[in-house]
Amino acid sequence: EAGVVQSPRYKIIEKKQPVAFWCNPISGHNTLYWYLQNLGQGPELLIRYENEEAVDDSQLPKDRFSAERLKGVDSTLKIQPAELGDSAVYLCASSLGLAAQETQYFGPGTRLLVL
Amino acid sequence: AQTVTQSQPEMSVQEAETVTLSCTYDTSENNYYLFWYKQPPSRQMILVIRQEAYKQQNATENRFSVNFQKAAKSFSLKISDSQLGDTAMYFCAFGGSGGSNYKLTFGKGTLLTVNP
Repeated sequence: EAGVVQSPRYKIIEKKQPVAFWCNPISGHNTLYWYLQNLGQGPELLIRYENEEAVDDSQLPKDRFSAERLKGVDSTLKIQPAELGDSAVYLCASSLGLAAQETQYFGPGTRLLVL
Repeated sequence: AQTVTQSQPEMSVQEAETVTLSCTYDTSENNYYLFWYKQPPSRQMILVIRQEAYKQQNATENRFSVNFQKAAKSFSLKISDSQLGDTAMYFCAFGGSGGSNYKLTFGKGTLLTVNP
C-alpha cells in the first residue's frame, strides 16, 4: 500500500514569490493534516481536513497561506507571498478519521527554502 | 493548552545497549493518548509506540517499551538492544480525547545516535 505522497520534495524560491505543495493521502483516509516543522522543532499543526471540510484552521496564517482539499482526496497548501521566515519543512499526514486513537501517517515532507 | 517537554535535545548509546528517552506533558484532560514518533534522517516520521491513558499497563512493541506514569505526567521511551537503524529524531506527542478539537501536540524532539 502506498504511503502519503508529497511533492515537491525540495523547493527554493525567492521571497515574495508564490509556492504550492501537494499531498496525496493514503487511500481511504478521510482526515488530512498539514504541519509546519521548523528546524530543531516538532511539527505544528497548520490545518486539518475531514473529507473536504477544514475542521481546524486556527493555526493557519490566513493572510498568506491557503489550502484546499477538493473532492476530499488530494490537498494543496499555498503560500503567497513567501517570506524568509517560511523556510521550513511542510509535512502532510493522513488518518482514517478524527478519533484520538487513529494513527497519523506522515509523508516525507517538502523542504522549503526562501531566499 | 497541552504542552509536551522533552528535556534531552541529544543522546547517544552504544549498539546493543539500552537507552531511555524522557518526556513530560501537561494536561487537564483525563482521557488521552500519548505517542512516540521516530523521524530518521530521510525525514519520514513513523509511529513507534502508543499509550492510552486509561490503560495502566505500559505499552510494548518489540524492543520499544514505555514507562507511563499518569500522576507524574511522564511518558518515557525505552529502547532495548539498540541498533544502528534506531538513529533518528524521536518526538513525544500528546493527543487529546478526540472530536473536532483533536490534534497532536509534539515535543521538540530528542536526537538519538546509536554508535557502532
